[in-house]
Amino acid sequence: TQLLEQSPQFLSIQEGENLTVYCNSSSVFSSLQWYRQEPGEGPVLLVTVVTGGEVKKLKRLTFQFGDARKDSSLHITAAQPGDTGLYLCAGPPSTQKLVFGQGTRLTINP
Amino acid sequence: AAGVIQSPRHLIKEKRETATLKCYPIPRHDTVYWYQQGPGQDPQFLISFYEKMQSDKGSIPDRFSAQQFSDYHSELNMSSLELGDSALYFCASSLGGGRYGYTFGSGTRLTVV
Repeated sequence: TQLLEQSPQFLSIQEGENLTVYCNSSSVFSSLQWYRQEPGEGPVLLVTVVTGGEVKKLKRLTFQFGDARKDSSLHITAAQPGDTGLYLCAGPPSTQKLVFGQGTRLTINP
Repeated sequence: AAGVIQSPRHLIKEKRETATLKCYPIPRHDTVYWYQQGPGQDPQFLISFYEKMQSDKGSIPDRFSAQQFSDYHSELNMSSLELGDSALYFCASSLGGGRYGYTFGSGTRLTVV
């Protein structure tokens, strides 16, 4: 089983600050996905990264896939209270299962 | 757009009872997955079905079973419930092996008392 380690597990910052969340593995992934989950709801897909070195932007969120396809990062610029939630990296997508990292619980304080 | 529908949203059962959770995937999605999420934990994979055949199995207790029917809906059956089974149970569906993403339902919150 390919394992994913996320860091930090908890992050609490002030509105307007920048932050980066990391997702690391000792295994090579064909692709990785990032999800955001709010309390009591299912995870919602944010992005899929496929190519080593790939950078994808989603408004204030920037996702990067490592050159060796073993790690990924999520950078949020000028965080807002609406960004609060559980951020999960996961992979690889298949018809069998999707393995999740432990998640980063992000709290943005007004 | 249609989403993954799970029912019921909330379920309260007593120890040793049986529960059945239902999942209706997005039309034309070919794979259904079940996950269990305890408080403060990441989703743990239970079982998946590809084109109505079981494709993978995770840490699913022998007391649990699941199947996917001809109309592609899936059911997770849980017997001899234990207090530790209390959790959020999510169903997800995908097309093409999930490379376009998995779509999760809103989950069933099971409370065993």
